[in-house]
Amino acid sequence: ELKVEQNPLFLSMQEGKNYTIYCNYSTTSDRLYWYRQDPGKSLESLFVLLSNGAVKQEGRLMASLDTKARLSTLHITAAVHDLSATYFCAVSFGNEKLTFGTGTRLTIIP
Amino acid sequence: KAGVTQTPRYLIKTRGQQVTLSCSPISGHRSVSWYQQTPGQGLQFLFEYFSETQRNKGNFPGRFSGRQFSNSRSEMNVSTLELGDSALYLCASSHQDRGYQFFGPGTRLTVL
Repeated sequence: ELKVEQNPLFLSMQEGKNYTIYCNYSTTSDRLYWYRQDPGKSLESLFVLLSNGAVKQEGRLMASLDTKARLSTLHITAAVHDLSATYFCAVSFGNEKLTFGTGTRLTIIP
Repeated sequence: KAGVTQTPRYLIKTRGQQVTLSCSPISGHRSVSWYQQTPGQGLQFLFEYFSETQRNKGNFPGRFSGRQFSNSRSEMNVSTLELGDSALYLCASSHQDRGYQFFGPGTRLTVL
């Protein structure tokens, strides 16, 4: 059974600082997704990573994938308040079923 | 281009009742998946439909069912509601096999 672990679960960081969220998964996966969720809202797609060594960047967020280590990271550079949200990683293998991590609740403190 | 829409947005039911939730995918998307989100269990996959056929199913009891129509719209039904069914139910659609999944706003179901 595919399991996905994220850490940390909660993260408070000051504006302007850098930090990384980690996503580990237990078995082979062929797609890894990162989503953002604001309180009371739905999931917003951020990145999809398909192959080993894949790196994608959008603004202050950068995601990478190491399939050999079964690890993805979401790096936040020079955080700003607007990035406060819960971030989820999700993996799939061979079909549309997404297995989600527990989520990381990120709070950016001015 | 309109996004994924879900109706109703909020619903309050009592134990033992049944409920039907609706999802309209992005135009042209043929795959529709459903997820349940609760504080305790997080986001869990319910089922996925493609071209009116259920292709994948999660580990939920038979009280949870769904269907998809020829226009790709999907419904999910929960019978004999339990308190633990209170959750945010999210629908996602994708354009083709293994496409990027886009989520709707969700239906928040409260069971009293």
